[in-house]
Amino acid sequence: GAVVSQHPSRVICKSGTSVKIECRSLDFQATTMFWYRQFPKKSLMLMATSNEGSKATYEQGVEKDKFLINHASLTLSTLTVTSAHPEDSSFYICSASGGTGDETQYFGPGTRLLVL
Amino acid sequence: SQQGEEDPQALSIQEGENATMNCSYKTSINNLQWYRQNSGRGLVHLILIRSNEREKHSGRLRVTLDTSKKSSSLLITASRAADTASYFCATLRRGYSTLTFGKGTMLLVSP
Repeated sequence: GAVVSQHPSRVICKSGTSVKIECRSLDFQATTMFWYRQFPKKSLMLMATSNEGSKATYEQGVEKDKFLINHASLTLSTLTVTSAHPEDSSFYICSASGGTGDETQYFGPGTRLLVL
Repeated sequence: SQQGEEDPQALSIQEGENATMNCSYKTSINNLQWYRQNSGRGLVHLILIRSNEREKHSGRLRVTLDTSKKSSSLLITASRAADTASYFCATLRRGYSTLTFGKGTMLLVSP
């Protein structure tokens, strides 16, 4: 149980285009979903936290208009990187929590974004 | 303040040996969790230890928590080549609902 999927797994796009990444909890209802960014050989940096039906809470330094997050249902959250630039190239990972109280997060496999 | 500093940054051992990774943190926590990440993949939850627990076991994994020293250790016994991965500790601080991850330890287990 507790499977989280992400789509796409890899995406290459041109500078200036927008990219949407989907995160789905397949076998549980995710009351909260998290979006992280990870640079090579680095730790995970939390970008934002989203609860179903409400606006995402962004971490300091993360541009809300740049990284649009939508948590439309208890099983789906999307991250849209708008007007992507090469510096947005990174590994984006989502996770989901079912609200068990212990805040265990179940992670998706990640999406590697390369902006040319 | 930065939470979850692991050491060593990298560890290289032979199959069958034990691997010990440490994690230190700075603020009061509700729990501490260890995750594993294979190269280019997502994270897999390994084990969670609550602030009122001192030791926990799961298969070949043993986690200890010393809240007085604000530190935790992850021991992998009888390591296998398949244990090669990066290991991260993450803390759930009191009053927060988000995890803070450390920088991770890269473990290489050679056959």
